[in-house]
Amino acid sequence: EIVLTQSPGTLSLSPGERATLSCRASQSVSGSYLAWYQQKPGQAPRLLIYGASSRATGIPDRFSGSGSGTDFTLTISRLEPEDFAVYYCQQYGSSLYTFGQGTKLEIK
Amino acid sequence: EVQLVESGGGLVQPGGSLRLSCAASGFTFSSYWMHWVRQAPGKGLVWVSRINSDGSNTIYADSVKGRFTISRDNAKNTLYLQMNSLRADDAAVYYCARDRQYVFDIWGQGTMVTVSS
Repeated sequence: EIVLTQSPGTLSLSPGERATLSCRASQSVSGSYLAWYQQKPGQAPRLLIYGASSRATGIPDRFSGSGSGTDFTLTISRLEPEDFAVYYCQQYGSSLYTFGQGTKLEIK
Repeated sequence: EVQLVESGGGLVQPGGSLRLSCAASGFTFSSYWMHWVRQAPGKGLVWVSRINSDGSNTIYADSVKGRFTISRDNAKNTLYLQMNSLRADDAAVYYCARDRQYVFDIWGQGTMVTVSS
């Protein structure tokens, strides 16, 4: 089973700043099968990025994904107030789907 | 509007059973693989099970294998999760989600399962 480790656990930033979230896999992941989700309190997760770097429908272009192999990154170029939430990475491999433990992005 | 609506959650005693449902609308349900994902209170997301589009192939997380059964009725546009031998660590919000190229592109609002005596 591929384990995804996200860092940092909590990221404290101010609106307007740039956020960089990391997702590291215990073994190589096909970039085609790496996604990022946003979850706000009391809500279901929302797909942001799929295929490591493709934005889902309706996702603002301040969100971008990059990476390959075992290291993937979600970048939010300029934080808006509504971006403060928990972010999860997710991968598919060997008939298993796994999530990272999440990064909480909080207002500084 | 593309929508998934879960139901069937509630309080159940340890060792008991529960069946969750997920009603799909706004898309051709029979064309998509579907999943169940759960989230214990204050914890992260955990994938539970997946079923292919015609229901002929299913896979499960090790933690639920042999106790949970995923199924679907394409005529009713509904996904199910039969949960047996429930344990305290099965308590969570259960989400159904649509599969798009091995990621979850549409999610329901979730249904809460509480396991307690």
